[in-house]
Amino acid sequence: GAGVSQTPSNKVTEKGKYVELRCDPISGHTALYWYRQSLGQGPEFLIYFQGTGAADDSGLPNDRFFAVRPEGSVSTLKIQRTERGDSAVYLCACSTGQTNSPLHFGNGTRLTVT
Amino acid sequence: DQQVKQNSPSLSVQEGRISILNCDYTNSMFDYFLWYKKYPAEGPTFLISISSIKDKNEDGRFTVFLNKSAKHLSLHIVPSQPGDSAVYFCAATGDAGKSTFGDGTTLTVKP
Repeated sequence: GAGVSQTPSNKVTEKGKYVELRCDPISGHTALYWYRQSLGQGPEFLIYFQGTGAADDSGLPNDRFFAVRPEGSVSTLKIQRTERGDSAVYLCACSTGQTNSPLHFGNGTRLTVT
Repeated sequence: DQQVKQNSPSLSVQEGRISILNCDYTNSMFDYFLWYKKYPAEGPTFLISISSIKDKNEDGRFTVFLNKSAKHLSLHIVPSQPGDSAVYFCAATGDAGKSTFGDGTTLTVKP
């Protein structure tokens, strides 16, 4: 498909478990972003990749969160020792990388930590 | 401290009338502003944008106005249609590359 693909669409896990969320961006889009959205709030920035490297990870809440993009396309957001407060929709977005180019979002992964 | 604020959580308008959604920001380093539209269970989709060197940008039924001195922007939709019913997010970017979003306004257009 031509859009941003995120898998799984829903993930339920127990407190303390490890989860991985996957994002498959639009082909050729060099910039990739992870955002987190809680109910009633706007997307909250987590991390931004330009190519393979994390250009800005200032939004990651703590060291339980980590993201990689080893080949400059697919990215994985990893959360260790999940907590109930991690429950949210995790959104991936990409852009061409040109200045001020708009973001193209996936439909998100809804993470529920029980 | 929230740098992008959308103070109206919801707005209801009649079909055919104008919808005006507002957004305020505090960071003077923001120089590009975007509006996104979101339907339930989908990601936000880009709608329209404006650079800080302009005060107006128009695209069909959608117009965005920027008042840089007041750090305020607004999105006008005219005429409003039932299919416009969605959550609208205002976002701002600076030279850091990332976008900062407001909490959204839910627009309901009644037939």
